[in-house]
Amino acid sequence: KQEVTQIPAALSVPEGENLVLNCSFTDSAIYNLQWFRQDPGKGLTSLLLIQSSQREQTSGRLNASLDKSSGRSTLYIAASQPGDSATYLCAVRPNFGNEKLTFGTGTRLTIIP
Amino acid sequence: NAGVMQNPRHLVRRRGQEARLRCSPMKGHSHVYWYRQLPEEGLKFMVYLQKENIIDESGMPKERFSAEFPKEGPSILRIQQVVRGDSAAYFCASSTTGTGEFQPQHFGDGTRLSIL
Repeated sequence: KQEVTQIPAALSVPEGENLVLNCSFTDSAIYNLQWFRQDPGKGLTSLLLIQSSQREQTSGRLNASLDKSSGRSTLYIAASQPGDSATYLCAVRPNFGNEKLTFGTGTRLTIIP
Repeated sequence: NAGVMQNPRHLVRRRGQEARLRCSPMKGHSHVYWYRQLPEEGLKFMVYLQKENIIDESGMPKERFSAEFPKEGPSILRIQQVVRGDSAAYFCASSTTGTGEFQPQHFGDGTRLSIL
């Protein structure tokens, strides 16, 4: 059974710093991995999706990497801003044809102005 | 281009009542997924539906919960005889095709269900 873990559960950093969020998964047989952002009382916004054949994806100040063999992904946020404060979730899709996403419990990020 | 629409945003029910949660997928999307987020927990998959078909309901509790996605109209998640433990945020997601590459699921803002 796939388990997804995100550590730390909460993180506070001063504005302007670069930071890394971690995601690990127990079963390396994944189809893709997705990073989401969740604001309080809101739904999920997809940030980046990495296919199993890819090593990384970039969008603006965000960079996500994937090391499937070791069961790890990282989300790098450059030059953090107060607007980046949110909960960040990673989710894995098990294989082609299986639509279930397995989510981690998230990292609650606070950027201190 | 409207996103995934869920209503109501907030729903309050007393124990023993029925709760009906609605989800209208994005335009052109024919696949719907329901997830539940319990307080201080991650999202858990409940059910995956296509029009008029339940594809995977392995995450649905065996009793009191049902889901449908009719040919016309929104997808409905129905919870009968609600209990306090059903209090959670219920999220709906949709996608275009279920098995193609680069088909991320797009999420609605959720329905917050509170049981008194």
